[in-house]
Amino acid sequence: GAVVSQHPSRVICKSGTSVKIECRSLDFQATTMFWYRQFPKQSLMLMATSNEGSKATYEQGVEKDKFLINHASLTLSTLTVTSAHPEDSSFYICSARDRGNGRTGFRREQYFGPGTRLTVT
Amino acid sequence: AQSVTQLGSHVSVSEGALVLLRCNYSSSVPPYLFWYVQYPNQGLQLLLKYTTGATLVKGINGFEAEFKKSETSFHLTKPSAHMSDAAEYFCAVSPIAGGTSYGKLTFGQGTILTVHP
Repeated sequence: GAVVSQHPSRVICKSGTSVKIECRSLDFQATTMFWYRQFPKQSLMLMATSNEGSKATYEQGVEKDKFLINHASLTLSTLTVTSAHPEDSSFYICSARDRGNGRTGFRREQYFGPGTRLTVT
Repeated sequence: AQSVTQLGSHVSVSEGALVLLRCNYSSSVPPYLFWYVQYPNQGLQLLLKYTTGATLVKGINGFEAEFKKSETSFHLTKPSAHMSDAAEYFCAVSPIAGGTSYGKLTFGQGTILTVHP
């Protein structure tokens, strides 16, 4: 089946530093990847849509200069949290939408990564 | 704008009992509907989805959900709960294919299911 990986799974960083999170589709191509943030005991909130080869589209209220997204290939998107602060501590989850080549039963299915737990001290 | 409401942040059932998790949505046009399960510190796993066709959708692990347009609901059920079903469940909606927002999921608040022996 389609697998999405995230690296790292957990990261602890100091306030003011930057952290990069990778999201990879392992056995399919994804023209679109989505980045979500989940605070403790809350639901997932879409942060941005990452499109291969173009600029990401950010949801209202998400600072594009703080959350840098790069989608340089059909299998990799990265989220960089710049100048991290304790309030950025959260669970970051990516999802990748299958490009659709008839292999899967439902074209353009969306698959989720296991998440990255970011703690800023 | 679309929104999702899950009634009950916590549901507790006994092993073997019926599981019913409620989900209502708000959308100008019927969207695509999804149920996901999340185990602690893990990502989301798709249980089932409704796009078109039969309104009763069967998913993995014995779960099913019925799309009721008149009630704008997509409740999740399982006839007999198992201990391994204990997790958090999220209902989500997505615009239908063809629009610029296709694929963007809006999630409900989540329902934590506890299963007692």
